[in-house]
Amino acid sequence: DGGITQSPKYLFRKEGQNVTLSCEQNLNHDAMYWYRQDPGQGLRLIYYSQIVNDFQKGDIAEGYSVSREKKESFPLTVTSAQKNPTAFYLCASSIQGQNTEAFFGQGTRLTVV
Amino acid sequence: GNSVTQMEGPVTLSEEAFLTINCTYTATGYPSLFWYVQYPGEGLQLLLKATKADDKGSNKGFEATYRKETTSFHLEKGSVQVSDSAVYFCALRNSNTGNQFYFGTGTSLTVIP
Repeated sequence: DGGITQSPKYLFRKEGQNVTLSCEQNLNHDAMYWYRQDPGQGLRLIYYSQIVNDFQKGDIAEGYSVSREKKESFPLTVTSAQKNPTAFYLCASSIQGQNTEAFFGQGTRLTVV
Repeated sequence: GNSVTQMEGPVTLSEEAFLTINCTYTATGYPSLFWYVQYPGEGLQLLLKATKADDKGSNKGFEATYRKETTSFHLEKGSVQVSDSAVYFCALRNSNTGNQFYFGTGTSLTVIP
């Protein structure tokens, strides 16, 4: 079955450590997105990519980095520069250039202690 | 620019009550409109969509009509169930202005027996 997979579902890290969240899709989508969701809040865009080897900052990119070396994969690194990294992270993908829907992964809950 | 304004919650209803969650949008051109549902600890799932004016999206008893004259896409269900308890997000995508999605802040619905 086609879909979008995030791993792990839960992640714990010590303060000051970088951590990478995985996002893989087999939907053949060009566009991929990373969102952050805090308790009781909406979604905030971190980064998005419209094509391999290209990505753009979203509204809250500071303290995060991404890469897009393969069409299927869009990993997000939460760096030690992110002041408040504990949150729920959602990855999504969509067809490029059309008004079609986004498909979401199941999310990764990151807790930094 | 593009934006979505969604009715604030939380909303609490008794089982079999009628549900309306208001959503209005701002966009140039002809965006597509979506309703997503999020259950606790999970990613967003597409509930329904509409791609042009006067389209009605429907799924699992939920409906929403794309009203260009009032720039609205209100979500309705005639008789809610306990299993409908979740957070609902209204969203738009406007390929005329890029590939981003614009989400409302979400409305939490609790249905009590």
